[in-house]
Amino acid sequence: GAGVSQSPSNKVTEKGKDVELRCDPISGHTALYWYRQSLGQGLEFLIYFQGNSAPDKSGLPSDRFSAERTGESVSTLTIQRTQQEDSAVYLCASSETSSYNEQFFGPGTRLTVL
Amino acid sequence: GIQVEQSPPDLILQEGANSTLRCNFSDSVNNLQWFHQNPWGQLINLFYIPSGTKQNGRLSATTVATERYSLLYISSSQTTDSGVYFCGASGSRLTFGEGTQLTVNP
Repeated sequence: GAGVSQSPSNKVTEKGKDVELRCDPISGHTALYWYRQSLGQGLEFLIYFQGNSAPDKSGLPSDRFSAERTGESVSTLTIQRTQQEDSAVYLCASSETSSYNEQFFGPGTRLTVL
Repeated sequence: GIQVEQSPPDLILQEGANSTLRCNFSDSVNNLQWFHQNPWGQLINLFYIPSGTKQNGRLSATTVATERYSLLYISSSQTTDSGVYFCGASGSRLTFGEGTQLTVNP
């Protein structure tokens, strides 16, 4: 079946602009995660959605970052007033139920803030 | 939170050689995964192995949960094995190590 998909694959924006990144999880997966990978920080957790429970936002680096998920499908990660340090690859993953299950990653969105 | 350490950070091999990559984690885990990051940046799942031993072709992995480590074995390495290998461990979400950069020379 189809894997996790993300769009856009690349995004170049100017400092101060807002951006939206999209993730389509594997069909039937109720858990969805956002991570980011940057040169200085490695791979780091951002936010976790599980079904209808309140999301775990403990990894979001600032209040400029937010994410939503529509039911058990699409998720969008929004970064407001982008800064150069936001430049990174943003990765989305999904798993069948909880974080105890195997996570499958999408191809990522490479964000460059000029 | 949980800490994950991978070793070695860099590994250079000749084609055909065997290698062992290690992942240490600081607390009990419910999920442990090994990934290979391809040249385009995608994380490719290798093993989901919170405990026990698994094999897939030339690759195998062992996790000793009671001693808080996991090993990834690559046998008869090929140039296509080159790339970064990540270990991710979880209580509630994956925490990643810094990765092992593997280079396999022809």
